[in-house]
Formats: sequence, structure tokens, C-alpha cells
Amino acid sequence: DQQVKQNSPSLSVQEGRISILNCDYTNSMFDYFLWYKKYPAEGPTFLISISSIKDKNEDGRFTVFLNKSAKHLSLHIVPSQPGDSAVYFCAALERGGSEKLVFGKGTKLTVNP
Amino acid sequence: SAVISQKPSRDICQRGTSLTIQCQVDSQVTMMFWYRQQPGQSLTLIATANQGSEATYESGFVIDKFPISRPNLTFSTLTVSNMSPEDSSIYLCSAEGGRELANYGYTFGSGTRLTVV
Repeated sequence: DQQVKQNSPSLSVQEGRISILNCDYTNSMFDYFLWYKKYPAEGPTFLISISSIKDKNEDGRFTVFLNKSAKHLSLHIVPSQPGDSAVYFCAALERGGSEKLVFGKGTKLTVNP
Repeated sequence: SAVISQKPSRDICQRGTSLTIQCQVDSQVTMMFWYRQQPGQSLTLIATANQGSEATYESGFVIDKFPISRPNLTFSTLTVSNMSPEDSSIYLCSAEGGRELANYGYTFGSGTRLTVV
């Protein structure tokens, strides 16, 4: 049973446009959400996170939106750059509980020049 | 955040043999984790490596197959024992990092790509 789902295995966008990566979760105990970026032959790199008490967190070109009622979060990248091409993993955890990261399967983003 | 050095980066092993993967963190961390990523799958937590006590394994993973050591606060090893082709995966270690900054930005090693033939 996948608790964190990324239903789009891949996404392709043009340089300069917006990239929107989506993530759904089923466990209502999750209260902290993270996005990781992974290049080939490298480990995942922490990108941005959001607490369940917020609905938006912004860091430069990256913004994460959280819709708790829908159990849905999304990562927006604006403007997209070719260097953003990577696999993006959504992850969730329950702070004060198990505190173990639960990952989605990832979405491969390709930004075309 | 902590920086993790993981080795080997890749290996091709014969079935029935064992491989030990090492992770060195550049600062002391309380919690270290070992993950597996099978092709096309998400990162799956194998176990939490605890310093001074036995590792805590997730459902579906056992100590006999994946023995873990954690001799100090900066180092851990994962052994994949009696390997079969089904063990071919990327194995990643991770350490807590940034919790004091409240961002839970766990840091990962670069991974070990294991192929069992």
C-alpha cells in the first residue's frame, strides 16, 4: 500500500515555463513533507519542505503547495531551467511519531532548451 | 547539513556472496538510515542504524540478510548477505540533518549500485 503517490512517472517542459510536480498521500498522520531531487549516479538532495500548518513555502524558483483536505501537494518550479532535469521525489513523515521518511516513486522531469 | 561519503559506488557480485557498504558522515549524527531503491520503485527504508544498539528493521527486512553496524556517531555499514539477483538495487545511506533547523532535510549518500549475477 503506497502511502505517498506520484502518479506521473515523467514530465517534459520547455525552458522558462512552469514545471508542476504532483504528489498525493493517504496517511493523515503525516505532518511534514519534503521534496528531493536526484541526478543519475547521485543520492537524493533535499530541495524544499513544508509543515502541515502551512499551505505554501517558497524558496527562490521553487514553491511547494499543500492542500491538506485533499491530501495533495505540488512542487512548482518557475522558471524551469535545463539544469532542473532530474528525478523529483516527494516524501512525507510523521514528526514525533516514527519520523521515518516515506517516499513516492518519483517523477522524472526533463526541461528542454 | 551533514555530508555523507558512501562506498563502493557500484559493484557486480556473484550470487551467494556478500557485500558490505560503508557510510561515513562528516559530523556526529544520532540517526542513520539505510534505503533500497529497486528499479522503477521508490526508496524503501531497510532499517534505522542506532549507535550502541541493534538496528531497527522495517517489515520485510531481517538482520540475517542485512546486518548493520553502527560503531560510532559518524559511521555505519550495511552488508547484503548471500546475494541473489533480486538484491540488485541501489542502496543508499542517509543521516538526519537540519532537524535543529526544523526542516528535516535528511542527507543522503551517493548510493551503491549493486548488480548480482
